[in-house]
Amino acid sequence: GAVVSQHPSWVICKSGTSVKIECRSLDFQATTMFWYRQFPKQSLMLMATSNEGSKATYEQGVEKDKFLINHASLTLSTLTVTSAHPEDSSFYICSANPGQAFSTDTQYFGPGTRLTVL
Amino acid sequence: GEDVEQSLFLSVREGDSSVINCTYTDSSSTYLYWYKQEPGAGLQLLTYIFSNMDMKQDQRLTVLLNKKDKHLSLRIADTQTGDSAIYFCAAPRGSSNTGKLIFGQGTTLQVKP
Repeated sequence: GAVVSQHPSWVICKSGTSVKIECRSLDFQATTMFWYRQFPKQSLMLMATSNEGSKATYEQGVEKDKFLINHASLTLSTLTVTSAHPEDSSFYICSANPGQAFSTDTQYFGPGTRLTVL
Repeated sequence: GEDVEQSLFLSVREGDSSVINCTYTDSSSTYLYWYKQEPGAGLQLLTYIFSNMDMKQDQRLTVLLNKKDKHLSLRIADTQTGDSAIYFCAAPRGSSNTGKLIFGQGTTLQVKP
């Protein structure tokens, strides 16, 4: 149990275009999902907390107009990188928290999406 | 603020035991977690320990918690080459109701054959 998928697993796009990344919890419902960014050989940087049916909460320094998050259902959250630039190239990872449904009350992670902006 | 610290690198020989250490600052943490990240992949929950426990064993994995010193360790017995990965220690960030976690920098475990 506690499987989280991400799509696509990798994407290459031109500068100025927008890219959408999907995060799905496959076998549980998640009222809260999280989006992280990870640079090479570094830890995870939390970008935002995605809450089903309400606006996302962004961490300090993360541009909400740049990184649009939608949590339309209890199993799907999307991150759209708008007007992408090369500095947005990174590894984006989502996670989902099943709450008290699982004893660990922790986050389960997707496999990540490698974004390369040319 | 809260902080989680780990050493960055550990190298062991196949068959030896590996011990990865972590320190944290927030004494109110209810659970503490260990995640494993293989190259190009997401994080996999390896194990966790509740704050009222001192030790938890799960097959080759042993977690030790010293609450007084705010020290957490992960011991991997009979380390295999497949254990080579980055290991992250994580603790709840702020109020555990937010579900947020704070991660250490990650310890790269290199297993030599």
